[in-house]
Amino acid sequence: SQQGEEDPQALSIQEGENATMNCSYKTSINNLQWYRQNSGRGLVHLILIRSNEREKHSGRLRVTLDTSKKSSSLLITASRAADTASYFCALRSSDGIKAAGNKLTFGGGTRVLVKP
Amino acid sequence: DTGVSQNPRHKITKRGQNVTFRCDPISEHNRLYWYRQTLGQGPEFLTYFQNEAQLEKSRLLSDRFSAERPKGSFSTLEIQRTEQGDSAMYLCASRPNPNTEAFFGQGTRLTVV
Repeated sequence: SQQGEEDPQALSIQEGENATMNCSYKTSINNLQWYRQNSGRGLVHLILIRSNEREKHSGRLRVTLDTSKKSSSLLITASRAADTASYFCALRSSDGIKAAGNKLTFGGGTRVLVKP
Repeated sequence: DTGVSQNPRHKITKRGQNVTFRCDPISEHNRLYWYRQTLGQGPEFLTYFQNEAQLEKSRLLSDRFSAERPKGSFSTLEIQRTEQGDSAMYLCASRPNPNTEAFFGQGTRLTVV
């Protein structure tokens, strides 16, 4: 499968705690992206990490990528109630025909609830 | 607002009717994508355009679905003879090249009754 699979499917934490979610995949990738989606809304891009990168930061977000294990993690530090959302990893595959590498394939997401 | 725009935001239709959705991408983005998302699931890829050329279609896109991007700008997604199983959020995204982030619209929520 080209899509990523997030783990856990759901996460409930207290405000101020850190939230960690993981994405595992099976294909070779060109890059991996994380998106956030608030209930009933569109997706918002968080971070893009390329296959030759191991870690990226953006504010309270930290993404790691281990291509040998075909996995990525997203860490949200010092969580806030406003971080309550679904988080998705999306892959740009480098396998297969050229056109197939142009789309992003999404996993099922991790639903994060941050309790105040 | 220079983001991706989708219309309508909500559509309720009776089973068997045809519906058409529109997506206006960010103007300089030549790549446009359609996804479908059902409750509690991640977005599923439907189809992809580079300029006006439809370069890939998912097997999810049955014969009742058709998408166009006639001038390489806005795109339409039409569903003919809608079924209850078509009820979902239809998302459009665009980006300038495959190595960058995708920008998503707010989606069109379709309910087939």
